[in-house]
Parts: sequence; C-alpha cells; structure tokens
Amino acid sequence: NAGVTQTPKFQVLKTGQSMTLQCAQDMNHEYMSWYRQDPGMGLRLIHYSVGAGITDQGEVPNGYNVSRSTTEDFPLRLLSAAPSQTSVYFCASSGGSRGYTFGSGTRLTVV
Amino acid sequence: QQPVQSPQAVILREGEDAVINCSSSKALYSVHWYRQKHGEAPVFLMILLKGGEQKGHEKISASFNEKKQQSSLYLTASQLSYSGTYFCGTASQAGTALIFGKGTTLSVSS
Repeated sequence: NAGVTQTPKFQVLKTGQSMTLQCAQDMNHEYMSWYRQDPGMGLRLIHYSVGAGITDQGEVPNGYNVSRSTTEDFPLRLLSAAPSQTSVYFCASSGGSRGYTFGSGTRLTVV
Repeated sequence: QQPVQSPQAVILREGEDAVINCSSSKALYSVHWYRQKHGEAPVFLMILLKGGEQKGHEKISASFNEKKQQSSLYLTASQLSYSGTYFCGTASQAGTALIFGKGTTLSVSS
C-alpha cells in the first residue's frame, strides 16, 4: 500500500502561473481533503470531498479549484498563483470514522 | 470555526506529564488528535466520538467532554519521541472535513 501520494514534492512558480497539485490514494477512502500549512497558522482546510463527484469549500478556498472524478484522485488546481499561496500543501484521506492519512506534502514557492 | 488549543507550547523533561486542551464554540461530532514532527506530515493518534469516552494507550490518552465541547490529550511519563507539534481536528457532523487548531508544540529533553 502506497497510502496517499502527492506530487510534486517541491515546486517554484512565477506569479500568475497555474498548476495542478496531484493527490492519489489507494485505500478506497471516501473522504479526501486539501490543507495548507503556514507558520503559526496550523492546518487550514482548502477544499474537501466526501466521494466521487462531490466537493465542497473549506476555510480558505479562494484561488483554488478541485474536482473528484474518481475515488482515488483529488487534484488541487491553482488558477493564477500569487505569493500569498506560498505554503506547504497536504492532501489527506479517510475511510469514515477513522483518522486521516496524510500525504508527504508539496512545498510550493510563488515568486 | 477553528478550535482553540492551549497551551501554545510545553517544555518537559523526560518522565514528566503534560495535558493539551482543545475547545470549540460549536457542537462537535468528533475530535481527532495528530502529532507532526518537523518537516514531516501529521500522523493520526486517536479519534473521539460523541459520548465522552476516554481512549488511547497507557501513556497517551484523550477525553472528550461533549457538553463543554472540549477535548484533552494526556501524555504520561513523556519520552524524547513525544516531541513535536500536536494538533486537534474537529468535525461538527459526520461526513464533514476536519478543522484544525493552531497546534501545541511539545519539547521533551533528557
């Protein structure tokens, strides 16, 4: 079992560029979420999904889009990168009343 | 709304005990606890559902007071490996994502 796989691990973008952060899980989990982590701010919820075809906004959704066409994949799209989106991004999945398994994270820098 | 964790930081010697608290202004369905080491992803410790049961292992356990919307994480006889940042995550109902607190940094020295 690979668990939750995030790619890329590191990325540098220029302001205004777009990109997609990939997240895949092989545990057949229904629930998947995207978080960003900034110093002193904890983990802030961007978007989440409770199953294929169903997504919802979290605490800080502006500037990000998601889709969930399959159970396994939950990509996060940055539409037009801004320096304020410099952060560490974590994808996580859960099978219900169990804990979340986190991916190893993507460290994104926007210059 | 983000749950509030206290204290922000704890410094311990090996063998000492610590309590980390998590409180919410909203009615809660579940509380999760995670530990994150520097440069790594958060790792799940335990989940508590409505009912106020205390769960966990001998040295790391947690309680959930449903009436007060509060949870506490108890670390007993701390070890060096307990160092890290502890996060509580809360869900107001089944099927919703977790909202995390800002974390409590625990440092254990020998």
